Amino acid sequence: ETGVTQTPRHLVMGMTNKKSLKCEQHLGHNAMYWYKQSAKKPLELMFVYSLEERVENNSVPSRFSPECPNSSHLFLHLHTLQPEDSALYLCASSQVGQFSGNTIYFGEGSWLTVV
Amino acid sequence: GEDVEQSLFLSVREGDSSVINCTYTDSSSTYLYWYKQEPGAGLQLLTYIFSNMDMKQDQRLTVLLNKKDKHLSLRIADTQTGDSAIYFCAESPYGGSQGNLIFGKGTKLSVKP
Repeated sequence: ETGVTQTPRHLVMGMTNKKSLKCEQHLGHNAMYWYKQSAKKPLELMFVYSLEERVENNSVPSRFSPECPNSSHLFLHLHTLQPEDSALYLCASSQVGQFSGNTIYFGEGSWLTVV
Repeated sequence: GEDVEQSLFLSVREGDSSVINCTYTDSSSTYLYWYKQEPGAGLQLLTYIFSNMDMKQDQRLTVLLNKKDKHLSLRIADTQTGDSAIYFCAESPYGGSQGNLIFGKGTKLSVKP
């Protein structure tokens, strides 16, 4: 069983839909991340939450809205997406600290197709 | 700024050794990582090396670090078809204290039987 679990694994949505991606980590980490992976730009960092506070936004369009209710859960709320938003969305977690090295562990990803 | 560079493709024959190279820019990176991504899957942590080490060996994997040249390599001995994947090099800027890693674009390893 992976330490980082993402649901759903596959999602097809229309441009007017509202959906959410869910991520849960079972590793006791204090930081969680959303990455976007597409053919054009491998591994773009979207959001970082450390100790449940957003620390980096990276100029992501507002149609992507993250939520981190606690250190184990992370959501990515999607609304009025565009076809170019179709990609693999990867959730990850790590233990951030002076001596922890920040090794990041990834989930299996959620494949999103916007039609 | 931080940047991680690696070649995009590598093709080897089954049984040969594969060497994937990477250069990074942040000298404060305390850990350097190799991740593997198989088709349709997320990234799997393969191995990592602490910056005060020159070499780390783990079964068929050997990581070499040249800190002076900021060069990292991953050697896979006796490469198998199951090793076909994309391999990402990553550095941890600011000593890893601020979260996040900087990833290269990935090297696609193709293993021919």
